[in-house]
Amino acid sequence: QVQLVQSGAEVKKPGASVKVSCKASGYTFTSYGISWVRQAPGQGLEWMGWISAYNGNTNYAQKLQGRVTMTTDTSTSTAYMELRSLRSDDTAVYYCARGESPQDYGDYWGQGTLVTVSS
Amino acid sequence: QSVLTQPPSVSAAPGQKVTISCSGSSSNIGNNYVSWYQQLPGTAPKLLIYENNKRPSGIPDRFSGSKSGTSATLGITGLQTGDEADYYCGTWDSSLSAGRVFGGGTKLTVL
Repeated sequence: QVQLVQSGAEVKKPGASVKVSCKASGYTFTSYGISWVRQAPGQGLEWMGWISAYNGNTNYAQKLQGRVTMTTDTSTSTAYMELRSLRSDDTAVYYCARGESPQDYGDYWGQGTLVTVSS
Repeated sequence: QSVLTQPPSVSAAPGQKVTISCSGSSSNIGNNYVSWYQQLPGTAPKLLIYENNKRPSGIPDRFSGSKSGTSATLGITGLQTGDEADYYCGTWDSSLSAGRVFGGGTKLTVL
């Protein structure tokens, strides 16, 4: 069965960086991409971007351009999302979701990773 | 402020039917597929509907989706207490700042 398992919760100070992982299993990793979506406390969903696990092509949300980098490691079927220059409003649960393209709906989601940014 | 507009809350009694609306524009819903997600408290979103009206395997036919112009609707029949959750619509936005966009979410209460 398809599973996306994310890394554990993180606490970071403002200005620091965080790297969240998403390990895929149950399907051919390079046949799909991975989207990242975040959800601030009590708020809705915000799309951050997408990366192709086939060729590493990325499509980032304009709002996060320059601060976010998405990568994959095909040898371990793992996707990564790094967010730099963290601010308090980056505090959120970060989700990965499987999708064939940036436009894709995301049929399987990870369990989420809480990132708290606090001084 | 979300790009797609959903009612903040809806409610209905067990066994009844409820609909949740999602309003957008020609740059998003009007020219792209809509999907719907269910988020139970403390859990990740779960795909309910994709490509406007298709259900992934395992999703009961109590859940249905439709789209007309720049709006979409999620319907849930035979409401159960386990359906209490937040529901989100999502689609692609083809404007200059292209990206996937979501509604603000609708809290469903089963009275």
